[in-house]
Amino acid sequence: DAGVIQSPRHEVTEMGQEVTLRCKPISGHNSLFWYRQTMMRGLELLIYFNNNVPIDDSGMPEDRFSAKMPNASFSTLKIQPSEPRDSAVYFCASTLGGNTEAFFGQGTRLTVV
Amino acid sequence: GESVGLHLPTLSVQEGDNSIINCAYSNSASDYFIWYKQESGKGPQFIIDIRSNMDKRQGQRVTVLLNKTVKHLSLQIAATQPGDSAVYFCAENEGRGSTLGRLYFGRGTQLTVWP
Repeated sequence: DAGVIQSPRHEVTEMGQEVTLRCKPISGHNSLFWYRQTMMRGLELLIYFNNNVPIDDSGMPEDRFSAKMPNASFSTLKIQPSEPRDSAVYFCASTLGGNTEAFFGQGTRLTVV
Repeated sequence: GESVGLHLPTLSVQEGDNSIINCAYSNSASDYFIWYKQESGKGPQFIIDIRSNMDKRQGQRVTVLLNKTVKHLSLQIAATQPGDSAVYFCAENEGRGSTLGRLYFGRGTQLTVWP
């Protein structure tokens, strides 16, 4: 398995633009997580899905953020409109569920100018 | 995520020495803990995990110790190598029989290994 795949690896966009980050979890995993990492706040959980259903989105900072998981092999995190303070590395992770390790993707480095 | 923290933000060791990275957690209900390693430009990578019914677990060159009495977790790396230089995170689950796999991460410790 290629592991968790995220795209793009890097994204530079202008303030106000819409940004869509993509994630393909490991096949067979039933839980998917979106994290944001910054120097100031470390790794923050934004939202997670179990069996494609959003379970907890309390970590989503604002209504500008939305996430979807239309099927077991794909998820998106959208920011509309983007702001400079959204600049961070966004990670997607998946697990088999239960108390098992989370496998992380390589992340998307987002820069909003 | 702030319930999991680290005693030291940075740690420098000589190559060949043993490293000990510490982590404190506050949720006494947590029953599953993981250590991750993150190299520059990469995602966190699993190192070792431990469940609350254990107090020690060993892997290849790594040992995790869990002290539930004082809610303390540590990662020991034997014969530290330059390739071990990275940021190390501890993570805990929600506990209370949670089966959804949600993890809370500490802020991380930067380990630097000098030749």
